[in-house]
Amino acid sequence: GENVEQHPSTLSVQEGDSAVIKCTYSDSASNYFPWYKQELGKGPQLIIDIRSNVGEKKDQRIAVTLNKTAKHFSLHITETQPEDSAVYFCAASPYGTDKLIFGTGTRLQVFP
Amino acid sequence: DTEVTQTPKHLVMGMTNKKSLKCEQHMGHRAMYWYKQKAKKPPELMFVYSYEKLSINESVPSRFSPECPNSSLLNLHLHALQPEDSALYLCASSRSGTSLTDTQYFGPGTRLTVL
Repeated sequence: GENVEQHPSTLSVQEGDSAVIKCTYSDSASNYFPWYKQELGKGPQLIIDIRSNVGEKKDQRIAVTLNKTAKHFSLHITETQPEDSAVYFCAASPYGTDKLIFGTGTRLQVFP
Repeated sequence: DTEVTQTPKHLVMGMTNKKSLKCEQHMGHRAMYWYKQKAKKPPELMFVYSYEKLSINESVPSRFSPECPNSSLLNLHLHALQPEDSALYLCASSRSGTSLTDTQYFGPGTRLTVL
């Protein structure tokens, strides 16, 4: 079955700097890769997603890149703000399933 | 509107109690999910309902019993739980259960404590 690894587990940046979180997946049949942000005491909130027929997607300060050959995808946050502080989860979904296989999460702290 | 609502927000129960968690969405989504999330861990899939039929059961113990009364509602019935079942229980929904994976939208969760 699918396995998703996520790094780093914690990331501290200064406000205004960029943050990058990386994930690798094992199942080449996976075709959908969402990123979720989870604040303390809340459910995961989708922030961006990408499908296997696209290499990059951007939404304002957030971008995701996908390398299907290497089976890894990354989240890029530019101009970080304190309100970006949260736990971020990547996920992969094998083709033909309703399953999301989550990475282990990255705790991002943005210091003013 | 991409809102999934869950009640209650918090639940404390004894090991002999019977309780239910409720989830509701009005986005016309036809797939609904239950996840369990322990502290500092990612969500783990428990059940998937597609068009009101149970399509995935991730070998969850029978003390957890899901129910989908209609396309907008999803329940999780709890009975004879163990302290290790204490966790955040998340509900999610997506447009439909098809081979093209749809975005899953999560509710805020129910924080369950089993004494």
